Amino acid sequence: AQRVTQPEKLLSVFKGAPVELKCNYSYSGSPELFWYVQYSRQRLQLLLRHISRESIKGFTADLNKGETSFHLKKPFAQEEDSAMYYCALHPNFGNEKLTFGTGTRLTIIP
Amino acid sequence: DAGVTQSPTHLIKTRGQQVTLRCSPKSGHDTVSWYQQALGQGPQFIFQYYEEEERQRGNFPDRFSGHQFPNYSSELNVNALLLGDSALYLCASSGRTSGATDTQYFGPGTRLTVL
Repeated sequence: AQRVTQPEKLLSVFKGAPVELKCNYSYSGSPELFWYVQYSRQRLQLLLRHISRESIKGFTADLNKGETSFHLKKPFAQEEDSAMYYCALHPNFGNEKLTFGTGTRLTIIP
Repeated sequence: DAGVTQSPTHLIKTRGQQVTLRCSPKSGHDTVSWYQQALGQGPQFIFQYYEEEERQRGNFPDRFSGHQFPNYSSELNVNALLLGDSALYLCASSGRTSGATDTQYFGPGTRLTVL
């Protein structure tokens, strides 16, 4: 069975400070990992996925298979980063279930 | 393109009733997934429809059923509603790309309250 753990329900960071949202997963195979974000009064939307290796809005995330982690990082937080962030796991092609963590609410303090 | 749309926005039902939620996928998408998001939790996978058939199902009872129409839109039906069914129901659509996991695009959700 797959599981995604986001240990922090709430995280407050000062503007300009570095941000790290933690995500750990358990899955025996080689999953695909995602970060989704939900801004206030908006729908859930994809922020980034590990296979694309892109930096979106200054955020990056590296898949660490040894530590089974996919932490989200940004060197300098901005006020518009305040949102709910969900880490999600997709097992592999042919198994369509997307498993989400419980989410971390990030608040950027001006 | 309005993206994924869902109706209704909000719904209030009483225990034992039945409810139908609707979803229209993003233009060009043929796959619809449904999720339940309880308060304070992440979305939980209910099932996915492709080519008008249920392709995969999460850990939900048979009271939860669905349908996909030829135009790829979908319905989620919940029978014999329980208080615990109160949640935000999310629909996500995606398209089949060759051998890859396609991104799921989410709708705004339907907030169901069971009294």
